Amino acid sequence: AQRVTQPEKLLSVFKGAPVELKCNYSYSGSPELFWYVQYSRQRLQLLLRHISRESIKGFTADLNKGETSFHLKKPFAQEEDSAMYYCALYPGAGSYQLTFGKGTKLSVIP
Amino acid sequence: DAGVTQSPTHLIKTRGQQVTLRCSPKSGHDTVSWYQQALGQGPQFIFQYYEEEERQRGNFPDRFSGHQFPNYSSELNVNALLLGDSALYLCASTSRDRKNSPLHFGNGTRLTVT
Repeated sequence: AQRVTQPEKLLSVFKGAPVELKCNYSYSGSPELFWYVQYSRQRLQLLLRHISRESIKGFTADLNKGETSFHLKKPFAQEEDSAMYYCALYPGAGSYQLTFGKGTKLSVIP
Repeated sequence: DAGVTQSPTHLIKTRGQQVTLRCSPKSGHDTVSWYQQALGQGPQFIFQYYEEEERQRGNFPDRFSGHQFPNYSSELNVNALLLGDSALYLCASTSRDRKNSPLHFGNGTRLTVT
């Protein structure tokens, strides 16, 4: 069975400081990894996915299969980045079950 | 495009009662999944519906059942409610024809069981 671990419940950084939200996964196959974000009073929405290899709102994430990690990074945090971030794993291979971590609340201090 | 819509937004029920939650998928989507999000937790997969059939199910008891209609909308039914069923119930839709189409979520229904 797959599992996603986000070790930090809360991460506070100052505006302009670098951000790294950690995500580790366990799955024996080749999963697809996602980051979802939920801003205050908004719905859960896709931030980025590893197969796209793109930068969204300045965020990037690289899949490290050796370390089974998919950490989310941004070089300079902005106040509008304050939100709840969820890492999620999609096993593929005929399964459509997205497995989420417990989430990390990012708070950017002005 | 209204995106995924869910109703009602909030619901209060008594232990032992039954509840029905509703979801309309995003335009162009044909697959609906339901997730339960307890306080302080990430969403947990309940089941997925495609072509009006349950295609995959997570680790939830039979008290949780669903339905998908020909217009792709869906219902989640929970029987014999327990206090532990109190949670935010999220509906998500996607298109099975588009490979790697990501999930789009609704705002959720907040269920409180007293």
